Amino acid sequence: DTEVTQTPKHLVMGMTNKKSLKCEQHMGHRAMYWYKQKAKKPPELMFVYSYEKLSINESVPSRFSPECPNSSLLNLHLHALQPEDSALYLCASSQEGQTTVCFGPGTRLLVL
Amino acid sequence: DAKTTQPTSMDCAEGRAANLPCNHSTISGNEYVYWYRQIHSQGPQYIIHGLKNNETNEMASLIITEDRKSSTLILPHATLRDTAVYYCIVRENTNAGKSTFGDGTTLTVKP
Repeated sequence: DTEVTQTPKHLVMGMTNKKSLKCEQHMGHRAMYWYKQKAKKPPELMFVYSYEKLSINESVPSRFSPECPNSSLLNLHLHALQPEDSALYLCASSQEGQTTVCFGPGTRLLVL
Repeated sequence: DAKTTQPTSMDCAEGRAANLPCNHSTISGNEYVYWYRQIHSQGPQYIIHGLKNNETNEMASLIITEDRKSSTLILPHATLRDTAVYYCIVRENTNAGKSTFGDGTTLTVKP
């Protein structure tokens, strides 16, 4: 298995909803990432997990809450989002000590 | 991570070579040059990376200048499916490294 999978592909939520984005990889990668990408902009790093511990938080608002239950799974819990949080959310993973970062297909989020 | 500068857009005729430049004049000695591309509404896809030697794989070639301040990604025979945004990234080869994306080059391959 050489890919990163993300669910759901699309998500529409209201500003009072609580939802979660899920990411999974079975490549044995020990680093996992969340990126946010607005339309016509490059991806922006949000969080990095290394060996299931949060190692980088790029000053992301607390309405985004990451979780890494095990080495294969990464979640992003969403609560009280704003319309400007509508974006493509990308999960990625990489092997220790390197190298190439593998991206998932993303979850397209619309906040109404 | 060092910053990169790329042209906003480029066109290429189908079947011809596409040469995409990237400037990274502040690159440090332990930083690699990575190239990714993103086809519309998909996740970024790894293409190639290198430190100082030229590299080639089944997708592309990477030419890095001797002073390492710039590089060129070469797609030898561009197809319509190569139309995408191409990102040049400079980063250290460490775990959980921060890949900072610049604005990228939108390559349009035309028939």
